[in-house]
Amino acid sequence: DTAVSQTPKYLVTQMGNDKSIKCEQNLGHDTMYWYKQDSKKFLKIMFSYNNKELIINETVPNRFSPKSPDKAHLNLHINSLELGDSAVYFCASSPGGYNSPLHFGNGTRLTVT
Amino acid sequence: AQSVTQLGSHVSVSEGALVLLRCNYSSSVPPYLFWYVQYPNQGLQLLLKYTTGATLVKGINGFEAEFKKSETSFHLTKPSAHMSDAAEYFCAVRAGGGADGLTFGKGTHLIIQP
Repeated sequence: DTAVSQTPKYLVTQMGNDKSIKCEQNLGHDTMYWYKQDSKKFLKIMFSYNNKELIINETVPNRFSPKSPDKAHLNLHINSLELGDSAVYFCASSPGGYNSPLHFGNGTRLTVT
Repeated sequence: AQSVTQLGSHVSVSEGALVLLRCNYSSSVPPYLFWYVQYPNQGLQLLLKYTTGATLVKGINGFEAEFKKSETSFHLTKPSAHMSDAAEYFCAVRAGGGADGLTFGKGTHLIIQP
């Protein structure tokens, strides 16, 4: 019973394609996030949703579009993939309090060729 | 804006030696601080978190961290390193309100020498 699960774990695709990453959490948390980890391991927040409402939309290309059908799911759709999109994408969830940690999924390694 | 700085992108210690990973924070308000560990090809796992009022925080796997307001530091330590501790370690601070997520340091890669 994985708390935060992402699919797929690996995604290899060609430039210009459109792909989606799915995330589900069974922790009952109200807030979900997408983070991007680059090749130097740097983690940067991309989006956060609270009860299906977009809260944070950092400076990411509008080719990235998150969608939250319900508060347990937060998917990430990427249009017209570019080489620079290659990274590991992490989904996370949190109850939302100031001292609440984030619970992370195992990541999706996206490789664009 | 809240931020953290991790000193040393790589730290190498011998098995059995003390582990010390450094983190300094910048915050205009009392910070909410966290340490995470990332093993190869895995997600981030919470090691410990700072709760206001406690200066020494104990975490999992024998790790602990000491909050020093005067030094704006939250260094992570473990008395005796084990080979299984080899991983990437991240210090993080709450960016703001609950939905703002965490702001992470650049990470420290811990290498354990046999």
